Amino acid sequence: NAGVTQTPKFQVLKTGQSMTLQCAQDMNHEYMSWYRQDPGMGLRLIHYSVGAGITDQGEVPNGYNVSRSTTEDFPLRLLSAAPSQTSVYFCASSYSRAGSSYEQYFGPGTRLTVT
Amino acid sequence: AQKITQTQPGMFVQEKEAVTLDCTYDTSDPSYGLFWYKQPSSGEMIFLIYQGSYDQQNATEGRYSLNFQKARKSANLVISASQLGDSAMYFCAMRGTNDYKLSFGAGTTVTVRA
Repeated sequence: NAGVTQTPKFQVLKTGQSMTLQCAQDMNHEYMSWYRQDPGMGLRLIHYSVGAGITDQGEVPNGYNVSRSTTEDFPLRLLSAAPSQTSVYFCASSYSRAGSSYEQYFGPGTRLTVT
Repeated sequence: AQKITQTQPGMFVQEKEAVTLDCTYDTSDPSYGLFWYKQPSSGEMIFLIYQGSYDQQNATEGRYSLNFQKARKSANLVISASQLGDSAMYFCAMRGTNDYKLSFGAGTTVTVRA
């Protein structure tokens, strides 16, 4: 099992550019999510999905799009990068039973810098 | 809505001593789960321990234990016999009964001194 994989590990973008952060998991988890981590703010939820074809917004969705066409993949798109999107991005997955004790498994993160 | 508060931005602890990391939470959910994660300097998120709100006993996992006080809405993590490898940031997180999403606190950085 590779677990949760993310690519790329590092990325530098110019303001206004778009890009897609890739996330894949091989654990057959229904639930997948994207977080951003900024100093002093913990992890904040951007978007999440409870299964293929189902996505919803989290706490900080503006400027990001997601789709979930397969159970395995959950890409995050930055539509027009802004310096405020400089952050570390984590993808996570888990079994989807609401309120359960199932922990989320995290990918290694993508460090994004927008200049 | 859920809110997690970790009031200690950073802590120092001597090797082999115990350290307690504070976590308080606010929720209107009748039942919920509390999680602790460790993030070493390498950046990955490592799950440590889980406590359900209706669990009768405090959770323990090796050197990690959770001091759960439901009435006070606190879920403090205790690390016993600290090791140099315990130096990391620690996050408290919570999920409500009818929710898939985790809400995280701001984290506490622990530095273990030899």
